[in-house]
Amino acid sequence: AQKITQTQPGMFVQEKEAVTLDCTYDTSDQSYGLFWYKQPSSGEMIFLIYQGSYDEQNATEGRYSLNFQKARKSANLVISASQLGDSAMYFCAMSFFTGNQFYFGTGTSLTVIP
Amino acid sequence: EAGVAQSPRYKIIEKRQSVAFWCNPISGHATLYWYQQILGQGPKLLIQFQNNGVVDDSQLPKDRFSAERLKGVDSTLKIQPAKLEDSAVYLCASSFVNSYEQYFGPGTRLTVT
Repeated sequence: AQKITQTQPGMFVQEKEAVTLDCTYDTSDQSYGLFWYKQPSSGEMIFLIYQGSYDEQNATEGRYSLNFQKARKSANLVISASQLGDSAMYFCAMSFFTGNQFYFGTGTSLTVIP
Repeated sequence: EAGVAQSPRYKIIEKRQSVAFWCNPISGHATLYWYQQILGQGPKLLIQFQNNGVVDDSQLPKDRFSAERLKGVDSTLKIQPAKLEDSAVYLCASSFVNSYEQYFGPGTRLTVT
């Protein structure tokens, strides 16, 4: 069974500081993708970053980077230079290359403090 | 480029009533997903279409939920009869075939009283 775990229900970070949101996963498949989505209070899900299981380098997208440790089955999101607009729910998700199915974690609520 | 459209944005019904949600995906996206997101949880996939065929509906409560995508574009998700535990946000997403990137609509917030 596939499983995504986010153990931090809520996180606080000072504006302009970096923050790490944790995500661990469990699968016996060798081919999979890992994702992070942001969900503001308005409700839409915004794609942030993607990491493939065979990618050797950690993914980066602007202020977002994914710290991928395959042996430990972790895919932590690092947000550098936090901004007030980063306050939102963040979801880690996993998909498999056969079927495009997505499995989401329970989310982490991030609050950026001025 | 227009995003994924959903309507209505909010709906309040009494238990045992029926309700329908509509989704229009991004033009050219053959794959369409319906998710249920209960408050405090991550989205759970209910059904996945590719064109007008069902790829996965293993988590769809088929005794009360149904979905269709007759012409391979718009989709409708129906609940009949609704239960209190169906209160959630229903998200529609779409993607190109075999693409990992899904684009989500704004969701429909359903409250069952």
